[in-house]
Amino acid sequence: DAMVIQNPRYQVTQFGKPVTLSCSQTLNHNVMYWYQQKSSQAPKLLFHYYDKDFNNEADTPDNFQSRRPNTSFCFLDIRSPGLGDAAMYLCATSTGGGTDTQYFGPGTRLTVL
Amino acid sequence: GQNIDQPTEMTATEGAIVQINCTYQTSGFNGLFWYQQHAGEAPTFLSYNVLDGLEEKGRFSSFLSRSKGYSYLLLKELQMKDSASYLCAVSPLYGNKLVFGAGTILRVKS
Repeated sequence: DAMVIQNPRYQVTQFGKPVTLSCSQTLNHNVMYWYQQKSSQAPKLLFHYYDKDFNNEADTPDNFQSRRPNTSFCFLDIRSPGLGDAAMYLCATSTGGGTDTQYFGPGTRLTVL
Repeated sequence: GQNIDQPTEMTATEGAIVQINCTYQTSGFNGLFWYQQHAGEAPTFLSYNVLDGLEEKGRFSSFLSRSKGYSYLLLKELQMKDSASYLCAVSPLYGNKLVFGAGTILRVKS
């Protein structure tokens, strides 16, 4: 089945230690998104790629970076995780259109010690 | 920007009908989406509305009134597995993205 895959599902890191979360998709979608979701809050868009074009949200901290080496894969790099970065990180994809549905991966739960 | 409001929590009885409202303030948008999210899991797509009116999909229906800045999700014949958070989201006119509300936690009791 075509899907959005995130690895790992659970990630523990130490304060200040860089961490990378990965997302892959078999849907061949043009757009890949990274969201941060804290408990009982809305998913907050960090950035997205339309093909190779990177689109950063204005309020995304510089501590968060992303890479998309090819259509299938997208990575979220947190350069120096703080305690406030503990959250669920959701990857999503879409074909790229105003009314286009986004399909989410299962998420990676990040814990910062 | 978009300001999306949903009730924080609702409780309903198994077999009943429940309506979850969503109001928004935005000058324009492409469409309005509803997602279901079980605790600790990713959001899953339920429905979307582009035009005013009711869209029906089995036990789930969604309604949109652009003039009133209002949408609702209607769940019929509630089942225990419907206990989840329901997220309302709008697709802004510019940018391929969604802006989510904080979600409504629905608790279904027997």
